[in-house]
Amino acid sequence: NAGVTQTPKFRILKIGQSMTLQCAQDMNHNYMYWYRQDPGMGLKLIYYSVGAGITDKGEVPNGYNVSRSTTEDFPLRLELAAPSQTSVYFCASSYSVALVSGELFFGEGSRLTVL
Amino acid sequence: QQQVKQSPQSLIVQKGGISIINCAYENTAFDYFPWYQQFPGKGPALLIAIRPDVSEKKEGRFTISFNKSAKQFSLHIMDSQPGDSATYFCAASSNGATNKLIFGTGTLLAVQP
Repeated sequence: NAGVTQTPKFRILKIGQSMTLQCAQDMNHNYMYWYRQDPGMGLKLIYYSVGAGITDKGEVPNGYNVSRSTTEDFPLRLELAAPSQTSVYFCASSYSVALVSGELFFGEGSRLTVL
Repeated sequence: QQQVKQSPQSLIVQKGGISIINCAYENTAFDYFPWYQQFPGKGPALLIAIRPDVSEKKEGRFTISFNKSAKQFSLHIMDSQPGDSATYFCAASSNGATNKLIFGTGTLLAVQP
């Protein structure tokens, strides 16, 4: 049982390049999330999904796109990389959003540097 | 109003001591207050959570104290151990749901042996 798996773990991009951060979960969770973590800023929600085919914006969605074609996968797309997108990105999933069973399970993160 | 303010930014505690991390919020609609623990190179993991209908919740050495009138909540780690050294995030969400957590800025805890 791998939980939430993120790839790649590290990536360096040039300004203007595009890339996709991959996220997969094997817990059959309906809810999936993308957060970014910056030093001294905590975690900010970029996008989330409540199920296959349904996505919604979080706090900081600009510059990113997501899709959810299957329950297991939730990729995050950066179309035109900018230095402001240098960050550590975390994917997470949860079984539900109910307080009892809404615990978020995080992946180990993807560190992205844009130069 | 959507912010959760966390302090201190960093904390050094001796082994066996008490670690205290504080968070404050403005949005009275918040009704779920979890704490997440993050070790270096890992993702955050849920440590303990509380709802505003109770003033305290204890799980082992970890206790959340909640003051609804002051809109503050805190994490107390009793008998702190070197293995507790990590970054701790408080968070909050509203509408009885956990899908839009607002995180604090984090506290880096170092427990010295």
